[in-house]
Amino acid sequence: QSALTQPASVSGSPGQSITISCTGTSNDVGGSNYVSWYQQHPGKAPKLMIYDVTNRPSGVSNRFSGSKSGNTASLTISGLQAEDEADYYCSSYTGRTTLKFGGGTKLTVL
Amino acid sequence: EVQLVESGGGLVKPGGSLRLSCAASGFTFSNYGMHWVRQAPGKGLEWVSSITRSSTYIYYADSVKGRFTISRDNAENSLFLEMNTLRAEDTAVYYCARENYGDYVWDYWGQGTLVTVSS
Repeated sequence: QSALTQPASVSGSPGQSITISCTGTSNDVGGSNYVSWYQQHPGKAPKLMIYDVTNRPSGVSNRFSGSKSGNTASLTISGLQAEDEADYYCSSYTGRTTLKFGGGTKLTVL
Repeated sequence: EVQLVESGGGLVKPGGSLRLSCAASGFTFSNYGMHWVRQAPGKGLEWVSSITRSSTYIYYADSVKGRFTISRDNAENSLFLEMNTLRAEDTAVYYCARENYGDYVWDYWGQGTLVTVSS
């Protein structure tokens, strides 16, 4: 199964907004309402940031938001902070135990 | 406080076996599906296996099917992964993760245990 496509890296300055894309096909991202995003700091376990395309778990800052258009899901981080510097992974579940991950995006806060 | 603590990782030769454990605390373990997810050094995430609350349904990634066995002991609040016929490509940090908010969505993860398959 092909992985979902994410940019290898994105960067932004403190206070700015950035968007990370996650592109798949109509068989995964485009046909699924079950897109999640995870944040992972170096040497740490991933942390759930967004689920079901747009939903934030309790405790996650409202600076993080998710959306989807066609076959591309997006994670937007507004008011960028130094602590947001991390790797971000998207995933798409389409049922029948079919789960795909993106390759990951390294966010650098300049 | 929800805690997941993995153990059992280490160095093993190709073809060898290893059993990973995940001790859960701070929540009612039997109410949640559990998963193993791995991450090869410097690489992305890969789902490995899942088990439902009462072990009724068990699923594996194609890459480990027939070699790995997931199980759980709800009385002991523990999750296990029996890994046989290990290959170099199984080298990774193995995380146990709690499923919540929907299928294949993980809200709590352990700190991970490193499995290295090398001669």
